[in-house]
Amino acid sequence: DVKVTQSSRYLVKRTGEKVFLECVQDMDHENMFWYRQDPGLGLRLIYFSYDVKMKEKGDIPEGYSVSREKKERFSLILESTSTNQTSMYLCASSLGRLGQPQHFGDGTRLSIL
Amino acid sequence: QKEVEQDPGPLSVPEGAIVSLNCTYSNSAFQYFMWYRQYSRKGPELLMYTYSSGNKEDGRFTAQVDKSSKYISLFIRDSQPSDSATYLCAMRAFYENNRLAFGKGNQVVVIP
Repeated sequence: DVKVTQSSRYLVKRTGEKVFLECVQDMDHENMFWYRQDPGLGLRLIYFSYDVKMKEKGDIPEGYSVSREKKERFSLILESTSTNQTSMYLCASSLGRLGQPQHFGDGTRLSIL
Repeated sequence: QKEVEQDPGPLSVPEGAIVSLNCTYSNSAFQYFMWYRQYSRKGPELLMYTYSSGNKEDGRFTAQVDKSSKYISLFIRDSQPSDSATYLCAMRAFYENNRLAFGKGNQVVVIP
């Protein structure tokens, strides 16, 4: 089974702090993704990566950056948090072949006070 | 018009009933279709994955795709309280290697 592991389940931070969210997958997947999920808005893509050191902006990249130094690890960075970044953050991965489904981690619930 | 429309519910059914969920979409290039199940405070879990039109059955779950009507469905037979969750549809165009288009999710409650 695919396993996508997110480093923290719950985080509470103050506005202006820098936050790193880590994600690791164990299936040698080429693609990795970061989403945020908010009530009424569904899943929204922040960034994705299709290879090591490669990244592409999703639909809502503002206020976020990412890093992928190793194939299995994809990090989401919030440089200076704001209260509107309070959300559930979900990491996913998939094989690089066309049409492959994405597999998700259990998410990090981030609260910015 | 949003790419994928999904009624958010909630949908409440008695235990043992058939649950019927559906999504409509606007992009005729969508060719890969997925259903995810998400329990409270957990990530989405891949439930069903289908390619192009037709039906796929897995235990109590049946996924249907009608590309001519741009409509997909998920049926859950003999529903159990453990089926209480949010169900998200997702789909991808044939030319798209990365991006998925998601519905907003439909909350299902199975009442014992």
